[in-house]
Amino acid sequence: EVQLVESGGGLVQPGGSLRLSCAASGFTFSNYWMGWVRQAPGKGLEWVANIDQDGSDKYYVDSVKGRFTISRDNAENSLYLQMNSLRAEDTGVYYCARHGSRCFNYWGQGTLVTVSS
Amino acid sequence: DIQMTQSPSSLSASVGDRVTITCRASQSISSYLNWYQQKPGKAPTLLIYAASSLQSGVPSRFSASGSGTDFTLTISSLQAEDFATYYCQQTYSPPWTFGRGTKVEIK
Repeated sequence: EVQLVESGGGLVQPGGSLRLSCAASGFTFSNYWMGWVRQAPGKGLEWVANIDQDGSDKYYVDSVKGRFTISRDNAENSLYLQMNSLRAEDTGVYYCARHGSRCFNYWGQGTLVTVSS
Repeated sequence: DIQMTQSPSSLSASVGDRVTITCRASQSISSYLNWYQQKPGKAPTLLIYAASSLQSGVPSRFSASGSGTDFTLTISSLQAEDFATYYCQQTYSPPWTFGRGTKVEIK
């Protein structure tokens, strides 16, 4: 059974940093692109970043470029999102998701990030 | 960036109704269009990928069609468990943009 479990969310002040983790199990992690999607409170879904199987190819939404870094550790079956220079508008639930055929076919339960003073 | 416009933003329907949601892309995205369902407090789940392919385990009352810029998701006979918010997403080119969602509510 595919499982994705996010952790690392919490309350952080504007300008601060946070590192999200996603522990993957039930599939061969190193065979799949992975991504992060976020959802502001009461709002819709926003794709944040994608990473290829060996971490060499990465894509970001413009609003996080230069501030967020997606990475992975295939030996640990883990996906990460390093978030720096956080802003109030980064507040929301962050989901880890596995790629399927140019889609996200498995999602984690999400971790809440709150940026506030 | 490719903009995805969903309509309607919300609708009220009864159990057994046929429901259609549309999604329009700001440029051609071929068939790189996915549909997700999200229930309150839960993660989204994939319903349809590649415009018309039903994800494994999804009931056959869900179907979808379209290519280029215009796409539709149809629920042939709405069930109680289908009341949720539905999102389209293009994966033709990054950023992989989502529509704003369609909330399906009980009439």
